[in-house]
Amino acid sequence: KQEVTQIPAALSVPEGENLVLNCSFTDSAIYNLQWFRQDPGKGLTSLLLIQSSQREQTSGRLNASLDKSSGRSTLYIAASQPGDSATYLCAVNYAGGTSYGKLTFGQGTILTVHP
Amino acid sequence: KAGVTQTPRYLIKTRGQQVTLSCSPISGHRSVSWYQQTPGQGLQFLFEYFSETQRNKGNFPGRFSGRQFSNSRSEMNVSTLELGDSALYLCASTGTSYTETQYFGPGTRLLVL
Repeated sequence: KQEVTQIPAALSVPEGENLVLNCSFTDSAIYNLQWFRQDPGKGLTSLLLIQSSQREQTSGRLNASLDKSSGRSTLYIAASQPGDSATYLCAVNYAGGTSYGKLTFGQGTILTVHP
Repeated sequence: KAGVTQTPRYLIKTRGQQVTLSCSPISGHRSVSWYQQTPGQGLQFLFEYFSETQRNKGNFPGRFSGRQFSNSRSEMNVSTLELGDSALYLCASTGTSYTETQYFGPGTRLLVL
């Protein structure tokens, strides 16, 4: 079964800390992996998309890595700020004929950055 | 470029009723996917449409259906509503390739009483 798991479920850090969010997936046959941010009661904002042929992507203070062989991705947030507080979701686009348009999501990591 | 829009944003229905939700993708995007988000199950894939054809369907009962119009706008319908259908319904659009970034709308919050 194609699943996605995120660890930890929740994380609370002081402002300024560097932090790592983890995502693991069960099948290495993927097209890509996306990291999203969701604020309470809102839709999802795409942060980074890593294609299966890539090892990492960077955007500002965010860096995401992908290791297909081990089924893992990490999202690194540098110099965290209170505005980074949100739920972070990892989503995998598994390859295969029945995977059109389907992202498989992890349960998310709730991040709280306190001043 | 305008983002993905969803209407209505909030909806209250009673058990047994039916509901129709609408999604307008980003201009030029032809693929629309729908997801249900609940606290217990998280985000679950409902179905995906591309050029008016359903290409993929998640593991939901037949009460959940959808369609896509020639302008790529999509609707989803839930018939005979149950309490467990209370959720945030999100749609996402993608360009011509399903390997591209999915862009999500703000969602429709459905409460079934």
